[in-house]
Amino acid sequence: EAGVTQFPSHSVIEKGQTVTLRCDPISGHDNLYWYRRVMGKEIKFLLHFVKESKQDESGMPNNRFLAERTGGTYSTLKVQPAELEDSGVYFCASSSGPLGQFFGPGTRLTVL
Amino acid sequence: AQSVTQLGSHVSVSEGALVLLRCNYSSSVPPYLFWYVQYPNQGLQLLLKYTTGATLVKGINGFEAEFKKSETSFHLTKPSAHMSDAAEYFCAVRASNTGKLIFGQGTTLQVKP
Repeated sequence: EAGVTQFPSHSVIEKGQTVTLRCDPISGHDNLYWYRRVMGKEIKFLLHFVKESKQDESGMPNNRFLAERTGGTYSTLKVQPAELEDSGVYFCASSSGPLGQFFGPGTRLTVL
Repeated sequence: AQSVTQLGSHVSVSEGALVLLRCNYSSSVPPYLFWYVQYPNQGLQLLLKYTTGATLVKGINGFEAEFKKSETSFHLTKPSAHMSDAAEYFCAVRASNTGKLIFGQGTTLQVKP
């Protein structure tokens, strides 16, 4: 069974540019989560999808971040325009129920 | 609101020694608690979890953790460290009524030969 995959693994962009991160959850997992770890800080929740619906987006930092999950399969997280403080590692996780989230390897975003 | 505190951002042990990584939580409801491990250049892997029932939870790779409600703790232990245990470890609590996890700051475990 394939795990959670994320693309790209690394992204380096300049301030003001747009970046789109992609997450493919484990097949059949209705729950999809996005988290972020800024260097030196703890991993923080961004948002939670149940199928294609946003269940909880309380962790989204501002309106420069847009997450979608069309069709309830893969998800994208777009940052537009990117700022320096957006640098960090973005993790995606999926689960079939409320417990035991499976994490992807993360996307390391660097904004110069 | 829930929160997690991991005591010690870096822990160093000798190979074969006891591993003890500390985690204290705050929760207004019965907590669901997790330990995750991140090896270099990999994603987070679930080590073990506590939901209900037995308070001593066994996980993968010889790790275990004990839920102590009176101490609001969920410390991770392993009797004998291996070099391959060197990684970053995260304690997390599930926020009540939602699926999101609240993480501690992480503890980097160094294992010396």
